[in-house]
Amino acid sequence: ETGVTQTPRHLVMGMTNKKSLKCEQHLGHNAMYWYKQSAKKPLELMFVYNFKEQTENNSVPSRFSPECPNSSHLFLHLHTLQPEDSALYLCASSQRTGGAGGYTFGSGTRLTVV
Amino acid sequence: AQKVTQAQTEISVVEKEDVTLDCVYETRDTTYYLFWYKQPPSGELVFLIRRNSFDEQNEISGRYSWNFQKSTSSFNFTITASQVVDSAVYFCALSETNSGYSTLTFGKGTMLLVSP
Repeated sequence: ETGVTQTPRHLVMGMTNKKSLKCEQHLGHNAMYWYKQSAKKPLELMFVYNFKEQTENNSVPSRFSPECPNSSHLFLHLHTLQPEDSALYLCASSQRTGGAGGYTFGSGTRLTVV
Repeated sequence: AQKVTQAQTEISVVEKEDVTLDCVYETRDTTYYLFWYKQPPSGELVFLIRRNSFDEQNEISGRYSWNFQKSTSSFNFTITASQVVDSAVYFCALSETNSGYSTLTFGKGTMLLVSP
């Protein structure tokens, strides 16, 4: 148990499907993040939420839609994805105070788009 | 812009060998944090160490040690007497501290394979 829980662990979806990834933390952190990890590439920051407000969208295609209903939960809604979107999607959280604390990561959702 | 370079894509060693993973970073900030994370096959990123830019003391934790050299912008990680359980991908990361939240910039990672 890492403190950040992601569900599902694995997801296979067709290009016309709509699905959602869920992330939950009860660490009292105020910032939450979505990262994408593709083979042979660095971890890519997708979205940042600080106190439920989206503060960064790293030029992510609109087929990825984040939602942060409260500071403990973060969703990533997926629709009409492409095969190249297959990757490990990692959620993380941190204290508002910035870099000192680092991040706590979840175990990720392994997404395969067919 | 921040940048983290891990030049070693993959390293293979035999158990009990010492191994050093290299990390070089670029930043214009005077205050920043450096991190190492371990990613085992299960997928989650496990925090190993944090070092702030004003603390250049080397650190040792069991078989792990870190060498931070600001003059060369490097933050290298050494595992002494490696074990099979050390096999994982290791990421170096750099964080800004001048904002209300932190964003980490990661290197591409180094895959370490330790064979018996």
